[in-house]
Amino acid sequence: SAVISQKPSRDICQRGTSLTIQCQVDSQVTMMFWYRQQPGQSLTLIATANQGSEATYESGFVIDKFPISRPNLTFSTLTVSNMSPEDSSIYLCSAEVGSYEQYFGPGTRLTVT
Amino acid sequence: AQSVTQLDSQVPVFEEAPVELRCNYSSSVSVYLFWYVQYPNQGLQLLLKYLSGSTLVKGINGFEAEFNKSQTSFHLRKPSVHISDTAEYFCAVREAAGNKLTFGGGTRVLVKP
Repeated sequence: SAVISQKPSRDICQRGTSLTIQCQVDSQVTMMFWYRQQPGQSLTLIATANQGSEATYESGFVIDKFPISRPNLTFSTLTVSNMSPEDSSIYLCSAEVGSYEQYFGPGTRLTVT
Repeated sequence: AQSVTQLDSQVPVFEEAPVELRCNYSSSVSVYLFWYVQYPNQGLQLLLKYLSGSTLVKGINGFEAEFNKSQTSFHLRKPSVHISDTAEYFCAVREAAGNKLTFGGGTRVLVKP
């Protein structure tokens, strides 16, 4: 298993600003993932982040809006850029550990005003 | 591309009664299947997974699920629920050759005393 932490746990931001979310894993992992969970909705994959390579974005998500860093095997960041109220969501990171299991962080609850 | 349908958005159930959460998936290739639980204001926790072998899979907290390939289903069951089982439950599928999880819409379980 793995323990995943995220910072911040929640934030209220103004439209047009950017927020960087940090994700820390307690062990080295190859694959990390970033998801968005809009209020009352399921999870949607934003991108896959492998250490040493560019993140792979899903349809509807672009690097300019959601730049991702993966500097080492235990850490990743997701930036939500030029925010609008539509970006208000919970953002979760996960890491793949062992037999195809993804472990999730507690999430970052973002409100954009 | 795969898709996941959770047939019930909400399931109210009385304490100590059994519960079944239905999940159907669509994929043209071999898949791995997962159930996650999300307690209020928390991240996702893996309940159980099916990779191969026995189609009846036992997980944590007394949950089990049965993989039915012909019906492309992976229903989750618990014979006797507790108040603490009140949460949102997500079914997810991953192509065996891939790394991306696709989630269903979620089923909200409300256990009543």
